Amino acid sequence: AQSVTQPDIHITVSEGASLELRCNYSYGATPYLFWYVQSPGQGLQLLLKYFSGDTLVQGIKGFEAEFKRSQSSFNLRKPSVHWSDAAEYFCAVGPQQTGANNLFFGTGTRLTVIP
Amino acid sequence: DAGITQSPRHKVTETGTPVTLRCHQTENHRYMYWYRQDPGHGLRLIHYSYGVKDTDKGEVSDGYSVSRSKTEDFLLTLESATSSQTSVYFCAISDIRDNYEQYFGPGTRLTVT
Repeated sequence: AQSVTQPDIHITVSEGASLELRCNYSYGATPYLFWYVQSPGQGLQLLLKYFSGDTLVQGIKGFEAEFKRSQSSFNLRKPSVHWSDAAEYFCAVGPQQTGANNLFFGTGTRLTVIP
Repeated sequence: DAGITQSPRHKVTETGTPVTLRCHQTENHRYMYWYRQDPGHGLRLIHYSYGVKDTDKGEVSDGYSVSRSKTEDFLLTLESATSSQTSVYFCAISDIRDNYEQYFGPGTRLTVT
């Protein structure tokens, strides 16, 4: 069965510090992987995605993520966090197929940034 | 931003009443989705559509029905709302033109009292 685990419910980091949000997935085939960000009261915005090829993918707002097949992980990183990065982050996995790509989401990690 | 609107944005209703949420897109995307978001659960797929009049169930479809009579509109109906359906509902769209990336609407906050 498909599943996504985000083990950290809440993370607090200082502004300017580095960030790593963890995501582990269980999927029966090679997946598509996504990271979304949600600011309070807003919808979800795509940060980055992995379909194939280079396992290190770059996204918007200075984020990157690395796909590690052997560890079934797709961790999100940012070298220097800004106060505006405070939000909730969701990892999602979907099928590699044409057509409807029903995504399975993790439960999210809430990021707090302190001055 | 993708042209997705949801209406209403907020609704309070009583247990047992029917409720319909609307998702409208201006992107002509083929696929549309309804998710619900609850604390501790992330987003869970309720129903999705792969074309006009073509729909299928998602992970948490019990108590919900959907309809899609034209490309741009995807309706979610709660036939008889229950308190367990209090949630934030998100619509999403995707298409081959965007590598099936899903774009999300702003959400509808539904409270069933």
